[in-house]
Amino acid sequence: EPEVTQTPSHQVTQMGQEVILRCVPISNHLYFYWYRQILGQKVEFLVSFYNNEISEKSEIFDDQFSVERPDGSNFTLKIRSTKLEDSAMYFCASSRDRRLAFFGQGTRLTVV
Amino acid sequence: KNEVEQSPQNLTAQEGEFITINCSYSVGISALHWLQQHPGGGIVSLFMLSSGKKKHGRLIATINIQEKHSSLHITASHPRDSAVYICAVENGGGADGLTFGKGTHLIIQP
Repeated sequence: EPEVTQTPSHQVTQMGQEVILRCVPISNHLYFYWYRQILGQKVEFLVSFYNNEISEKSEIFDDQFSVERPDGSNFTLKIRSTKLEDSAMYFCASSRDRRLAFFGQGTRLTVV
Repeated sequence: KNEVEQSPQNLTAQEGEFITINCSYSVGISALHWLQQHPGGGIVSLFMLSSGKKKHGRLIATINIQEKHSSLHITASHPRDSAVYICAVENGGGADGLTFGKGTHLIIQP
């Protein structure tokens, strides 16, 4: 069964450093998403990406964040100058028709 | 902004029991998702509903659009059903801007 793959599963970084979270969406999917879940809190939408550009973003997704699809398979979330409050589980998801999204297993980001 | 409320927050039951998890939302939606989050954190989509009822194995999801309410039922519950069940609503924009509930932490004891 096709699946969304995220790497790494766990990333520890020092405050102020840049991190790149990687995702390989399902191959025939066209819509890509990043969500975030701070420990003990709700999952929150960050950004959606379609046709090589951002289609929607939440107020959380500020200039510190960027997304890219550098080649035909990867979809990345870059966080510049990480802060302690960026510590969370980050989920990538993809969808063929903008409806049912298939989620990855998540990357747990710990900023120390 | 849509407010999504789930109940109960925590539920412990014995193996074999019939489980009901509820979700209510404040503003009309285009679709509602039920998701399962495993102890390791991974999320699996269970159902997407815009009306009526769907069944998959021992899981049944219903939605009442007029009452802005959905339920997830598990029949003949099993310890492997132990997980966090999350309700999420689409506010007309597809999976963009899904609004999530806090989740219901379900434990099924053998």
